Amino acid sequence: AQKVTQAQTEISVVEKEDVTLDCVYETRDTTYYLFWYKQPPSGELVFLIRRNSFDEQNEISGRYSWNFQKSTSSFNFTITASQVVDSAVYFCALSEASDSGGGADGLTFGKGTHLIIQP
Amino acid sequence: EAGVVQSPRYKIIEKKQPVAFWCNPISGHNTLYWYLQNLGQGPELLIRYENEEAVDDSQLPKDRFSAERLKGVDSTLKIQPAELGDSAVYLCASSSLRRGETQYFGPGTRLLVL
Repeated sequence: AQKVTQAQTEISVVEKEDVTLDCVYETRDTTYYLFWYKQPPSGELVFLIRRNSFDEQNEISGRYSWNFQKSTSSFNFTITASQVVDSAVYFCALSEASDSGGGADGLTFGKGTHLIIQP
Repeated sequence: EAGVVQSPRYKIIEKKQPVAFWCNPISGHNTLYWYLQNLGQGPELLIRYENEEAVDDSQLPKDRFSAERLKGVDSTLKIQPAELGDSAVYLCASSSLRRGETQYFGPGTRLLVL
């Protein structure tokens, strides 16, 4: 069975500090997909990034970067020079390749990390 | 392009009453999902549709929950009768049919059962 663990329940940093959110996953599939979503206080889940299991290249998007390491089953997310607007709950999620043909499986989410950026 | 639309945004009912949630996915998305999110937890899948077909409803409590997706576009999730423990946020998401495609979420319906 698939599982996603986000061990950090809550992180609080001062604005402009760098912060890394950890994500460890478990799956028996060789083909799978990893995601990060942001959930601000408004409640809507906002998509941040998608990675497939065959692409271990790290990615940078502005102040955001992601480190995917299959050897440790981790997909960590770093925010550089954090800002108050980054305050939210961040979820890591996993989707396995569906056995039912071609469809997109449901996501298995971690419990989320509540990130607080203090001014 | 319009995102996933859900209504109502908030609903307060008394226990044992029925309640229904509606979702309109992103245009062209064949796959639709309903998730349940309890306070302080990540969303959990209730049901997945590919077009009109419910291809994964293994986590849907079928004694009181039902869902439909007539014509393969809009979907309705129903609870009858509601229990106190059903208080949560119900999220709808959609994606294309391809494996591993990104799921885009609606704003959710926050349900409070009194």
